[in-house]
Amino acid sequence: DAKTTQPPSMDCAEGRAANLPCNHSTISGNEYVYWYRQIHSQGPQYIIHGLKNNETNEMASLIITEDRKSSTLILPHATLRDTAVYYCIVRSRSNDYKLSFGAGTTVTVRA
Amino acid sequence: EPEVTQTPSHQVTQMGQEVILRCVPISNHLYFYWYRQILGQKVEFLVSFYNNEISEKSEIFDDQFSVERPDGSNFTLKIRSTKLEDSAMYFCASSESGILNPEAFFGQGTRLTVV
Repeated sequence: DAKTTQPPSMDCAEGRAANLPCNHSTISGNEYVYWYRQIHSQGPQYIIHGLKNNETNEMASLIITEDRKSSTLILPHATLRDTAVYYCIVRSRSNDYKLSFGAGTTVTVRA
Repeated sequence: EPEVTQTPSHQVTQMGQEVILRCVPISNHLYFYWYRQILGQKVEFLVSFYNNEISEKSEIFDDQFSVERPDGSNFTLKIRSTKLEDSAMYFCASSESGILNPEAFFGQGTRLTVV
Protein backbone atom coordinates (compact mmCIF):
# COMPACT_ATOMS: atom_id res chain seq x y z
CA ASP A 1 0.00 0.00 0.00
CA ALA A 2 2.89 2.31 -0.90
CA LYS A 3 1.75 5.89 -1.22
CA THR A 4 4.95 7.16 -2.79
CA THR A 5 7.20 6.16 -5.67
CA GLN A 6 10.88 7.04 -5.77
CA PRO A 7 13.72 6.01 -8.07
CA PRO A 8 15.80 3.31 -6.39
CA SER A 9 19.10 5.12 -6.81
CA MET A 10 20.84 8.17 -8.16
CA ASP A 11 24.31 9.64 -8.28
CA CYS A 12 25.28 13.22 -7.69
CA ALA A 13 28.52 15.14 -8.04
CA GLU A 14 29.90 16.77 -4.95
CA GLY A 15 29.11 20.48 -4.84
CA ARG A 16 26.23 20.16 -7.27
CA ALA A 17 22.55 20.30 -6.48
CA ALA A 18 20.84 16.95 -5.99
CA ASN A 19 17.21 16.80 -7.12
CA LEU A 20 15.31 13.85 -5.70
CA PRO A 21 11.89 13.19 -7.22
CA CYS A 22 8.90 11.59 -5.53
CA ASN A 23 5.49 10.69 -6.94
CA HIS A 24 2.48 10.65 -4.64
CA SER A 25 -0.40 10.73 -7.09
CA THR A 26 -2.99 9.48 -4.56
CA ILE A 27 -2.20 12.06 -1.89
CA SER A 28 -5.27 13.43 -0.18
CA GLY A 29 -6.00 16.94 1.01
CA ASN A 30 -4.96 16.43 4.63
CA GLU A 31 -1.75 14.58 3.88
CA TYR A 32 1.67 16.14 4.12
CA VAL A 33 4.87 15.19 2.35
CA TYR A 34 7.80 14.41 4.62
CA TRP A 35 11.41 13.67 3.77
CA TYR A 36 13.77 11.71 5.98
CA ARG A 37 17.16 10.25 5.28
CA GLN A 38 19.14 7.36 6.71
CA ILE A 39 22.91 7.42 6.61
CA HIS A 40 24.39 3.93 6.59
CA SER A 41 21.96 2.18 8.97
CA GLN A 42 21.93 5.03 11.47
CA GLY A 43 18.58 6.22 12.75
CA PRO A 44 16.48 8.09 10.20
CA GLN A 45 16.88 11.86 10.24
CA TYR A 46 14.13 14.36 9.54
CA ILE A 47 14.87 16.74 6.65
CA ILE A 48 11.80 18.75 5.75
CA HIS A 49 8.05 18.58 5.25
CA GLY A 50 5.34 20.46 3.37
CA LEU A 51 1.68 20.56 2.45
CA LYS A 52 1.37 22.55 -0.76
CA ASN A 53 3.76 25.46 -0.57
CA ASN A 54 7.43 25.19 -1.30
CA GLU A 55 9.54 24.94 1.82
CA THR A 56 13.19 25.63 2.60
CA ASN A 57 15.32 25.05 5.65
CA GLU A 58 19.01 24.82 6.40
CA MET A 59 19.22 21.32 4.98
CA ALA A 60 17.12 21.35 1.85
CA SER A 61 14.28 22.74 -0.24
CA LEU A 62 11.02 21.00 -1.01
CA ILE A 63 9.16 21.79 -4.19
CA ILE A 64 5.59 20.46 -4.42
CA THR A 65 3.71 20.60 -7.71
CA GLU A 66 0.50 22.56 -7.86
CA ASP A 67 -1.61 19.42 -8.16
CA ARG A 68 0.39 17.92 -5.21
CA LYS A 69 0.91 14.68 -7.07
CA SER A 70 4.67 14.92 -6.99
CA SER A 71 7.47 16.70 -5.22
CA THR A 72 11.22 17.22 -5.44
CA LEU A 73 13.70 17.41 -2.62
CA ILE A 74 16.65 19.62 -3.46
CA LEU A 75 19.98 19.39 -1.69
CA PRO A 76 21.54 22.62 -2.91
CA HIS A 77 25.22 21.72 -2.58
CA ALA A 78 25.65 18.02 -2.07
CA THR A 79 28.58 16.83 0.02
CA LEU A 80 29.98 13.35 0.53
CA ARG A 81 28.20 13.29 3.88
CA ASP A 82 24.87 13.54 2.09
CA THR A 83 25.31 10.00 0.78
CA ALA A 84 22.30 8.23 2.27
CA VAL A 85 18.93 6.64 1.59
CA TYR A 86 16.30 9.35 1.20
CA TYR A 87 12.69 8.59 2.04
CA CYS A 88 9.65 10.47 0.79
CA ILE A 89 6.70 9.79 3.11
CA VAL A 90 3.09 10.87 2.88
CA ARG A 91 1.42 11.21 6.23
CA SER A 92 -1.83 12.57 7.53
CA ARG A 93 -1.48 14.98 10.40
CA SER A 94 -5.00 14.37 11.59
CA ASN A 95 -4.92 10.76 12.70
CA ASP A 96 -1.67 9.07 11.84
CA TYR A 97 1.18 8.73 14.30
CA LYS A 98 3.41 6.45 12.34
CA LEU A 99 5.87 7.07 9.55
CA SER A 100 5.57 4.52 6.74
CA PHE A 101 8.98 4.11 5.15
CA GLY A 102 9.33 2.75 1.66
CA ALA A 103 12.51 1.63 -0.04
CA GLY A 104 13.63 5.22 -0.67
CA THR A 105 16.27 6.50 -3.05
CA THR A 106 19.89 5.61 -2.44
CA VAL A 107 21.83 8.76 -3.20
CA THR A 108 25.55 8.47 -3.76
CA VAL A 109 27.51 11.69 -3.83
CA ARG A 110 30.75 11.31 -5.75
CA ALA A 111 33.84 13.47 -5.46
CA GLU B 1 21.70 19.38 20.55
CA PRO B 2 19.27 17.07 22.36
CA GLU B 3 19.23 13.49 21.15
CA VAL B 4 17.53 10.17 21.67
CA THR B 5 19.88 7.65 23.24
CA GLN B 6 19.53 3.90 23.02
CA THR B 7 21.25 1.16 24.96
CA PRO B 8 22.82 -1.24 24.33
CA SER B 9 24.12 -0.53 20.86
CA HIS B 10 24.37 -4.25 20.19
CA GLN B 11 22.73 -7.17 21.97
CA VAL B 12 23.15 -10.85 21.30
CA THR B 13 20.63 -13.20 22.83
CA GLN B 14 19.65 -16.83 22.59
CA MET B 15 16.40 -17.81 20.99
CA GLY B 16 13.62 -17.96 23.54
CA GLN B 17 15.22 -15.47 25.90
CA GLU B 18 13.65 -12.19 26.93
CA VAL B 19 15.33 -8.94 25.98
CA ILE B 20 14.71 -5.36 26.98
CA LEU B 21 15.83 -2.56 24.75
CA ARG B 22 16.17 0.80 26.40
CA CYS B 23 15.72 4.31 25.17
CA VAL B 24 15.97 7.75 26.69
CA PRO B 25 13.80 10.10 24.61
CA ILE B 26 14.38 13.84 24.39
CA SER B 27 13.31 15.31 27.70
CA ASN B 28 10.39 17.53 26.69
CA HIS B 29 8.96 15.08 24.17
CA LEU B 30 5.65 13.43 24.86
CA TYR B 31 5.32 10.85 22.07
CA PHE B 32 7.51 7.82 21.79
CA TYR B 33 7.94 5.20 19.08
CA TRP B 34 9.70 1.98 18.25
CA TYR B 35 10.63 0.98 14.73
CA ARG B 36 12.67 -1.91 13.47
CA GLN B 37 14.73 -2.58 10.36
CA ILE B 38 15.66 -6.10 9.36
CA LEU B 39 18.97 -6.11 7.52
CA GLY B 40 18.49 -4.96 3.95
CA GLN B 41 14.80 -4.22 4.41
CA LYS B 42 12.60 -1.21 5.08
CA VAL B 43 12.22 0.62 8.35
CA GLU B 44 8.99 -0.71 9.89
CA PHE B 45 6.77 0.94 12.47
CA LEU B 46 6.10 -1.11 15.58
CA VAL B 47 4.32 1.05 18.12
CA SER B 48 3.62 4.56 19.32
CA PHE B 49 3.10 5.51 22.96
CA TYR B 50 1.59 8.56 24.62
CA ASN B 51 0.34 9.34 28.09
CA ASN B 52 1.35 5.93 29.35
CA GLU B 53 -0.56 3.98 26.80
CA ILE B 54 -0.17 2.64 23.30
CA SER B 55 -1.71 5.00 20.75
CA GLU B 56 -1.07 2.87 17.67
CA LYS B 57 0.59 -0.43 16.89
CA SER B 58 1.37 -2.44 13.80
CA GLU B 59 0.63 -6.06 13.01
CA ILE B 60 4.23 -6.86 13.88
CA PHE B 61 3.67 -5.74 17.46
CA ASP B 62 2.06 -8.93 18.72
CA ASP B 63 1.76 -10.36 22.22
CA GLN B 64 5.46 -11.07 22.52
CA PHE B 65 6.19 -7.34 22.46
CA SER B 66 5.46 -4.81 25.15
CA VAL B 67 6.47 -1.24 25.87
CA GLU B 68 6.78 0.63 29.10
CA ARG B 69 7.79 3.96 30.45
CA PRO B 70 8.98 2.83 33.88
CA ASP B 71 10.09 6.27 35.04
CA GLY B 72 10.21 9.82 33.80
CA SER B 73 13.07 9.29 31.41
CA ASN B 74 13.23 5.75 30.05
CA PHE B 75 11.14 4.06 27.39
CA THR B 76 11.61 0.34 26.93
CA LEU B 77 10.73 -2.34 24.43
CA LYS B 78 10.50 -5.86 25.77
CA ILE B 79 10.50 -8.95 23.60
CA ARG B 80 9.33 -11.85 25.74
CA SER B 81 10.58 -14.88 23.88
CA THR B 82 12.91 -13.95 21.08
CA LYS B 83 12.86 -15.69 17.74
CA LEU B 84 15.50 -15.78 15.04
CA GLU B 85 13.37 -13.47 12.90
CA ASP B 86 13.46 -10.81 15.60
CA SER B 87 17.06 -10.12 14.63
CA ALA B 88 17.03 -6.52 13.43
CA MET B 89 18.02 -2.98 14.19
CA TYR B 90 15.54 -1.44 16.60
CA PHE B 91 15.10 2.32 16.56
CA CYS B 92 13.49 4.40 19.24
CA ALA B 93 12.09 7.81 18.32
CA SER B 94 10.37 10.65 20.08
CA SER B 95 8.50 13.77 19.09
CA GLU B 96 7.29 16.81 20.89
CA SER B 97 3.74 16.14 19.80
CA GLY B 98 2.47 13.21 17.83
CA ILE B 99 0.22 14.57 15.17
CA LEU B 100 0.94 18.27 15.08
CA ASN B 101 4.69 18.07 15.10
CA PRO B 102 6.15 16.20 12.17
CA GLU B 103 9.70 15.95 13.34
CA ALA B 104 10.47 12.64 14.97
CA PHE B 105 13.97 12.30 16.37
CA PHE B 106 15.48 8.85 16.07
CA GLY B 107 18.12 7.20 18.18
CA GLN B 108 21.10 5.40 16.70
CA GLY B 109 19.50 2.04 17.22
CA THR B 110 20.13 -1.24 18.98
CA ARG B 111 21.24 -4.12 16.82
CA LEU B 112 19.59 -7.25 18.17
CA THR B 113 21.02 -10.57 17.10
CA VAL B 114 19.11 -13.71 18.07
CA VAL B 115 21.15 -16.91 17.84
